[in-house]
This record gives sequence, C-alpha cells and structure tokens, in this order.
Amino acid sequence: QKEVEQDPGPLSVPEGAIVSLNCTYSNSAFQYFMWYRQYSRKGPELLMYTYSSGNKEDGRFTAQVDKSSKYISLFIRDSQPSDSATYLCAMSARGSQGNLIFGKGTKLSVKP
Amino acid sequence: GAVVSQHPSWVICKSGTSVKIECRSLDFQATTMFWYRQFPKQSLMLMATSNEGSKATYEQGVEKDKFLINHASLTLSTLTVTSAHPEDSSFYICSARPTVGANQPQHFGDGTRLSIL
Repeated sequence: QKEVEQDPGPLSVPEGAIVSLNCTYSNSAFQYFMWYRQYSRKGPELLMYTYSSGNKEDGRFTAQVDKSSKYISLFIRDSQPSDSATYLCAMSARGSQGNLIFGKGTKLSVKP
Repeated sequence: GAVVSQHPSWVICKSGTSVKIECRSLDFQATTMFWYRQFPKQSLMLMATSNEGSKATYEQGVEKDKFLINHASLTLSTLTVTSAHPEDSSFYICSARPTVGANQPQHFGDGTRLSIL
C-alpha cells in the first residue's frame, strides 16, 4: 500500500459545480496536510495548509482533515474554468524537516 | 508573498553538457530548499534537500556526483546536472521553506524543463 493514495481522474465537471477531491494515507505520523494546484508545465501552487484534524476555509476552497479515518478532502465551490488543473495532496510528519509525501494528483477539468 | 523564482524555465542542450538551474526565494529567506523531479503524468519525486551552508542530503538512488547542489546563501540554491544525457530529460522543480516561523509549508518555483538531445 502506498503512503498516499489519490485518484488521478480525470474529473470533468460543469462550471459552477462543487468539486470534491480526496486523498487517503496510511502513515499515522502525518500531521501537516497541504493541497497544491499545478497548471500544465508550471510548478505547484500552495492552496491550503492545515495542521492535524479539522476544517479550513479560504474563499471558494475548503480543506478537511479526518485523522481518525486517515482521509483528507478539498472542496471547490462555484468551480470556474480557471480551476482546471491538477490538484496534488501532500503531507508530512512532525519533525520531518519538511519532507513532503505527494499524492499522484487529480486532473480536474471545469467545462464552461 | 512567498515567491520562488526558478531559472531557466526551459533548456535544450546536447548530450554531455552540464546544465545549471537556479532557485531563488524572492521575498523570504530559506535555510532549506528542495529539488524535485517530475515525469509526465507523475507526481513529484524528491531528489535532494539543500541546506544553506552545508552539504545537501540526497534521496536513495540519486547520484550526488551527477546532480550537484549548492546552497550558498539564504535565498539561492543551484542544481547542476553534470554531463547530462537523454535519460536526464525531465521537469525539475525546486521549493523553499521559509526560515521564519515554525512548520512553514514549501513554496515551489515554476520548474525547469530540461531536454537533452
């Protein structure tokens, strides 16, 4: 079993839809959870950064962490064509000096 | 804030050439920077961790003599691919973690597409 599992998609939704992206993980030591957005031929852009369990909201984006289930989610409300990109989850353990373990990424396409 | 600049964005060169890639944190200091490699439709694979003023830490399977890393200041790390060959062609991405503040996330550059002919 891989440390971080993420459905690669592709996921196609109509403009305005609510998008749900998810990752599961196996390492209970993970404490820091991130979502990055990567456009084609670009580097990843940090969207959300959360510590331990709970929810975090930033504009149209909501990140949820459920450590008991080892499951994290990213919700995008009122999705826009400009949200079309690959979304990568990433996580690290406390004291790991920032070593990130990435999911494979989910490719999202928002159709006008 | 938290901008990381990577240069060049695209390099095409002949086999046997050495190529240097620069990674700069523009508006913050970074004691630690990271170098990743990404193949098409794959996720990022950590190559090495670069620490200012000390030797880089390489991941298993990454040749340190092939991929030379220098982190001479708190805002600049360089990766030199020595005697590059076609199998070194890839998308190389750096990231930097702000020194100030505990448990800061990594911020990524826009990557360098390296093509070896």
